[in-house]
Amino acid sequence: NAGVTQTPKFQVLKTGQSMTLQCAQDMNHEYMSWYRQDPGMGLRLIHYSVGAGITDQGEVPNGYNVSRSTTEDFPLRLLSAAPSQTSVYFCASSYSDGIEAFFGQGTRLTVV
Amino acid sequence: GENVEQHPSTLSVQEGDSAVIKCTYSDSASNYFPWYKQELGKRPQLIIDIRSNVGEKKDQRIAVTLNKTAKHFSLHITETQPEDSAVYFCAATAAGNKLTFGGGTRVLVKP
Repeated sequence: NAGVTQTPKFQVLKTGQSMTLQCAQDMNHEYMSWYRQDPGMGLRLIHYSVGAGITDQGEVPNGYNVSRSTTEDFPLRLLSAAPSQTSVYFCASSYSDGIEAFFGQGTRLTVV
Repeated sequence: GENVEQHPSTLSVQEGDSAVIKCTYSDSASNYFPWYKQELGKRPQLIIDIRSNVGEKKDQRIAVTLNKTAKHFSLHITETQPEDSAVYFCAATAAGNKLTFGGGTRVLVKP
């Protein structure tokens, strides 16, 4: 199993550009989520999904969209990139709630 | 929603000494409390977790304690080694796997 795979690992965007961060897991996990990690602020939940076709907002959802058309994939879309979205983004998945969450390797995004 | 506070933000210890990190949570419905370790440039990885029906759990040199009444839990690392240097995150979750993380503690173990 590859676990949780994120692409790309690094990305530089210009302000106003849009892009999609990809996340895929091969563990048949129902729960998937996106976090952003900023210095001194830990990991903050952006959006999460409890199964295919179901998504919900987390703590910091503004400026991001998600969809969950399959169990395996949970892409994160930046609609119009802003410098405030410069961060490291982690995708995570778990089989159920209250169970270990597995993280992808992260995407370092810089918006200039 | 849930709010998790973690202290201290940085912790420097001498090799062989113990390290303690404390977290408090706000949602009394939270029932799962994992701890993650993140080495520089790497992804967070689970090192230990505890559920609300247990007061303490140990795994070799690490242990976690939970006080549900006071809504706080702690990570204890004994006999620290240089490879314990990392950022540690506590988290809490109730139903729906909405993990809420603390702000992290950077631990430096000095040889």
